[in-house]
Amino acid sequence: ETGVTQSPTHLIKTRGQQVTLRCSSQSGHNTVSWYQQALGQGPQFIFQYYREEENGRGNFPPRFSGLQFPNYSSELNVNALELDDSALYLCASSLYSGNEQYFGPGTRLTVT
Amino acid sequence: EDQVTQSPEALRLQEGESSSLNCSYTVSGLRGLFWYRQDPGKGPEFLFTLYSAGEEKEKERLKATLTKKESFLHITAPKPEDSATYLCAVQAGGYNKLIFGAGTRLAVHP
Repeated sequence: ETGVTQSPTHLIKTRGQQVTLRCSSQSGHNTVSWYQQALGQGPQFIFQYYREEENGRGNFPPRFSGLQFPNYSSELNVNALELDDSALYLCASSLYSGNEQYFGPGTRLTVT
Repeated sequence: EDQVTQSPEALRLQEGESSSLNCSYTVSGLRGLFWYRQDPGKGPEFLFTLYSAGEEKEKERLKATLTKKESFLHITAPKPEDSATYLCAVQAGGYNKLIFGAGTRLAVHP
């Protein structure tokens, strides 16, 4: 069984740029959720995708957007990067009907 | 507003010194409470799900319990490899999102 994978591991961007982060869900899982984790804080829910559609969104502005593909993998896109976007971005996969979410290793984004 | 509070923020134990971590929550319609372990720079690792008051789950030196207002993660005779941040999260209402606490940073010294 393959776990959740994310790429890239680390990323450094300049304020105002755009970034795309990628996630491959665990085998058999059809739902992907994205979280932002600032240093010393718990993860904050960004949004969830199920059947290629957004299925719930947290308190994040529209410049945070996403996609889910037919193979259930997903992308998180962030436009007009701000310094406060520097964080660990986590992807979690699950079965829609299930509650447990399994996390990937994360992408560390630094905005300078 | 749904809220999860964990205490203490940090805990230092000697190897073999048992203790408990607390997670208190205020939510409407709890669907599940989750415990995760997170090592520095890594993603959270799933430990337990609890669904109803009175439920208990165990895994090696860890035992999680749930009441109507809080959950405890009991660590029995911890070892240095148990050092990590332990995160508590809830699912509530009609939403699948997890609402996390800020975590407890546990350090176990030999």
